[in-house]
Amino acid sequence: KNQVEQSPQSLIILEGKNCTLQCNYTVSPFSNLRWYKQDTGRGPVSLTIMTFSENTKSNGRYTATLDADTKQSSLHITASQLSDSASYICVVSGTAGTALIFGKGTTLSVSS
Amino acid sequence: SAVISQKPSRDICQRGTSLTIQCQVDSQVTMMFWYRQQPGQSLTLIATANQGSEATYESGFVIDKFPISRPNLTFSTLTVSNMSPEDSSIYLCSVEDPWAGGRMNTEAFFGQGTRLTVV
Repeated sequence: KNQVEQSPQSLIILEGKNCTLQCNYTVSPFSNLRWYKQDTGRGPVSLTIMTFSENTKSNGRYTATLDADTKQSSLHITASQLSDSASYICVVSGTAGTALIFGKGTTLSVSS
Repeated sequence: SAVISQKPSRDICQRGTSLTIQCQVDSQVTMMFWYRQQPGQSLTLIATANQGSEATYESGFVIDKFPISRPNLTFSTLTVSNMSPEDSSIYLCSVEDPWAGGRMNTEAFFGQGTRLTVV
């Protein structure tokens, strides 16, 4: 069964600290893996998208890694800011045109 | 990138009534999707809105409950019919064009969502 599991479910960190979110998937065949940020009351916004041949991709303070062999991905946030408080969703795509598989997300709270 | 306007952004509705959600995209796109996001849950695909033909529904969702229109390549509507409190959720419109320009790995873009509360 195609699944995407994320951990932790929620996380609280102090402003300025780093954190890493995890994503494990069992989707096959695999086309790409995406990380989205969803602010409260808003739709998800893309942070990164990686194909099976890419190991890492950065977008500002966000760095995503992918190990297609172990089917694991991580999202590292550096020097967190209050505006990073949001839900971070890992999404895996099979072949082009097929439905995306969404994780439940990790809720990150950054406090001052 | 695609800019999606979704409305209403939120609504409170009486049970037994229906609500139609609109999704307008600033460019022509091949694929438009409707998702539901229940509290604390991941996004669940309701259906794929096909231009010029009936929508394709996922398991657990039926056309009588969630009729969808797709009159052209930039617009779609989702109706939540005969609502009950269990339909309270966020409904999201999304677009993606995986074959645009021959590219395989395009992004999915989402509307801001419609937060529906049924009382």
